[in-house]
Amino acid sequence: DAGVTQSPTHLIKTRGQHVTLRCSPISGHKSVSWYQQVLGQGPQFIFQYYEKEERGRGNFPDRFSARQFPNYSSELNVNALLLGDSALYLCASGRGLQGKSNQPQHFGDGTRLSIL
Amino acid sequence: GNSVTQMEGPVTLSEEAFLTINCTYTATGYPSLFWYVQYPGEGLQLLLKATKADDKGSNKGFEATYRKETTSFHLEKGSVQVSDSAVYFCALRPGGGGSNYKLTFGKGTLLTVNP
Repeated sequence: DAGVTQSPTHLIKTRGQHVTLRCSPISGHKSVSWYQQVLGQGPQFIFQYYEKEERGRGNFPDRFSARQFPNYSSELNVNALLLGDSALYLCASGRGLQGKSNQPQHFGDGTRLSIL
Repeated sequence: GNSVTQMEGPVTLSEEAFLTINCTYTATGYPSLFWYVQYPGEGLQLLLKATKADDKGSNKGFEATYRKETTSFHLEKGSVQVSDSAVYFCALRPGGGGSNYKLTFGKGTLLTVNP
């Protein structure tokens, strides 16, 4: 079975532009979460989507938005890019079954976004 | 709020040395605890997990025990290999079930194993 897939793998943008990152979860997984990993730091939670609804949001500005589609894939959008948005953006999927809180998340290899 | 504190790196060891990476956490209730590993240029891979107090997670020779009394989840391996060189992240997920998958990560510990 395919794991979590993210596209593109690398992306270079300039300040002020917008970007869309894509994620396909593992088959059968209904939960998708997005994380930002700045160089040298641990991942920081941005969003969680479950059954196409936003279920959690981290401490990120409104420039960051996301959505989940009927096939459970997801997009992360970032507007008005800043230099500080340069990071590895990770997507994780999980089964999200009620009561299965010990189920781990599975991560993709990420999209490396560089802002010039 | 929830938080995870890992020992500062980098850690440099010789092959076959003993490894300990300390991890302590702050959380309400009964979180699940995880260790993830990140190899250069890759995403995160789950290394091991523990979901309740006194559980021991183990995988590929690595072990960690969920100690609620000391709020710790230290990672250990008896004999490291060059291929273990990577960044290791300790993480917690709140308890309570349901669809809350938010993970809180530590800052990561870079391990370098020399032949």
